[in-house]
Amino acid sequence: DQQVKQNSPSLSVQEGRISILNCDYTNSMFDYFLWYKKYPAEGPTFLISISSIKDKNEDGRFTVFLNKSAKHLSLHIVPSQPGDSAVYFCAASPFFGNEKLTFGTGTRLTIIP
Amino acid sequence: DAMVIQNPRYQVTQFGKPVTLSCSQTLNHNVMYWYQQKSSQAPKLLFHYYDKDFNNEADTPDNFQSRRPNTSFCFLDIRSPGLGDAAMYLCATSRIASNEQFFGPGTRLTVL
Repeated sequence: DQQVKQNSPSLSVQEGRISILNCDYTNSMFDYFLWYKKYPAEGPTFLISISSIKDKNEDGRFTVFLNKSAKHLSLHIVPSQPGDSAVYFCAASPFFGNEKLTFGTGTRLTIIP
Repeated sequence: DAMVIQNPRYQVTQFGKPVTLSCSQTLNHNVMYWYQQKSSQAPKLLFHYYDKDFNNEADTPDNFQSRRPNTSFCFLDIRSPGLGDAAMYLCATSRIASNEQFFGPGTRLTVL
């Protein structure tokens, strides 16, 4: 039973355009959400997070949007750069400060120069 | 640089032959995790430690054991690897009450 779903295994975007990665969750107990980025031969690294008390969080070129009623979040990258090519994992936890994370299967983003 | 180190990066073992994967960290984090990630699947938490307090996930097979002799080191022991245990094994750390986990590069396990 996959509680965190990333339905697009891959996505290709032209350099300079916006990349939108999507994530859906089924467990209404999830309250805190994170995005991780993974390059080949490296472990995932934390990118950005959002609490359910917010609907948007921004950090430079990266913005995460949360629609709690739809149980949906998305990561926007604008403008997309070649170094953004990586696998992006969505993760969720029951509340901020609960260390246990449930991950999605990841989306491979390729930025085309 | 503070980091999470996993050794070896690639491990080949035979069906049924015990294998140990290791993880060390220089971050001085209290919490350490082991994840299993199979191809095209989500990382799946096997167990984690709060300091020396061991927490097993309900669906982690008994075949998987772990040891944490001190803050810096954590080991994953697979007592009798089966073909289905071939996967990437990721070690991660975090501070207590933090959602941000720091991952090592992983150990890719092949079972022949």
